[in-house]
Amino acid sequence: EADIYQTPRYLVIGTGKKITLECSQTMGHDKMYWYQQDPGMELHLIHYSYGVNSTEKGDLSSESTVSRIRTEHFPLTLESARPSHTSQYLCASSGLAEPGGELFFGEGSRLTVL
Amino acid sequence: GENVEQHPSTLSVQEGDSAVIKCTYSDSASNYFPWYKQELGKGPQLIIDIRSNVGEKKDQRIAVTLNKTAKHFSLHITETQPEDSAVYFCAASSGYGQNFVFGPGTRLSVLP
Repeated sequence: EADIYQTPRYLVIGTGKKITLECSQTMGHDKMYWYQQDPGMELHLIHYSYGVNSTEKGDLSSESTVSRIRTEHFPLTLESARPSHTSQYLCASSGLAEPGGELFFGEGSRLTVL
Repeated sequence: GENVEQHPSTLSVQEGDSAVIKCTYSDSASNYFPWYKQELGKGPQLIIDIRSNVGEKKDQRIAVTLNKTAKHFSLHITETQPEDSAVYFCAASSGYGQNFVFGPGTRLSVLP
């Protein structure tokens, strides 16, 4: 069982609101990721981090921002939510030292912006 | 950069039959190929993986084969059961700390 947790699991908010999706892992993993999963199933990497104070943009452009102040915590923030941000957001982590390195996913945060 | 294609996008099989999902990759530097299973309402979970120095790996009812020359790898599930119904993703990575590139996913339905 993966020790990576996301909150909230479901969130419905109005346009223009600021939201933060929380992600925490207790495995001591250096690398963490945020994926956006569209209704067609595809996983799109939007942010990742190699460790504390490291943040990088992923393959899919996103208006969200992330921070990595502590190894175990990798929150994602949307300053002003829009309906186009409605999606499932998946957080993941992996150990840098492992070749390949298994990705451990959280259960996801489903965001609906009205 | 790496590009991973996956086929089919949906697959329906009768319980007890076999299921095969195929992926191709473009970057010859990729050397690690995991398969993830995503059940409804959950995050993807690793079910099997293979490295480029191995041609085949098996774990009970699931197996993965890799053809480096042709740059493709496949997931085989035998004696399918209803609990195998899920979305399956293949992925490729070129090594330590490198990001994974995922295929678009296959929705497998096992019909009783």
